[in-house]
Amino acid sequence: GAVVSQHPSWVICKSGTSVKIECRSLDFQATTMFWYRQFPKQSLMLMATSNEGSKATYEQGVEKDKFLINHASLTLSTLTVTSAHPEDSSFYICSARDGQGVETQYFGPGTRLLVL
Amino acid sequence: QKEVEQNSGPLSVPEGAIASLNCTYSDRGSQSFFWYRQYSGKSPELIMFIYSNGDKEDGRFTAQLNKASQYVSLLIRDSQPSDSATYLCAVYTGGFKTIFGAGTRLFVKA
Repeated sequence: GAVVSQHPSWVICKSGTSVKIECRSLDFQATTMFWYRQFPKQSLMLMATSNEGSKATYEQGVEKDKFLINHASLTLSTLTVTSAHPEDSSFYICSARDGQGVETQYFGPGTRLLVL
Repeated sequence: QKEVEQNSGPLSVPEGAIASLNCTYSDRGSQSFFWYRQYSGKSPELIMFIYSNGDKEDGRFTAQLNKASQYVSLLIRDSQPSDSATYLCAVYTGGFKTIFGAGTRLFVKA
């Protein structure tokens, strides 16, 4: 199956710093990528949808100036958490859709962010 | 509002039994249907997809789709403790979004 990678898998940072998370589709071109956040024992929460070369579409309640998304190519999207605070600590997961046929979405392994 | 509904569970079955997971969706125009498995602390992984009415089998897993009833299910035969996870139903309705259900927690007792 298609493979999506994320880097880093773990990040610990101080409050006020910015953190960048990379999401790559390794063996397919992803016209659409998605960013999710998941708190312990809760459901996936879609943060934003990004299409290559255009601005991301953010879900209601997600601050676009705080969570910067760049979908620079058909294989790379980045999420930057700006001025991170402890409440931003969460599990961030990206996914990529192959745009073929049934529009299957493949998930990356996730990035666990801890803001001290 | 397009919705995907799942029973949150937990669904508990004994080892070797059949686990039946159900999902309903609201958008009649939905095109593709997916089942994902998510282990605690991990990201979701695709189990299988279905887009035509009827059954689709892959190993111990069978997905069933009934578009008239707007219902999709996942059967897991010969359930194993390693199948214990949260199962997410997802529906592609066209456009950019795939709508995910909140998931059903499955426990398989040894």
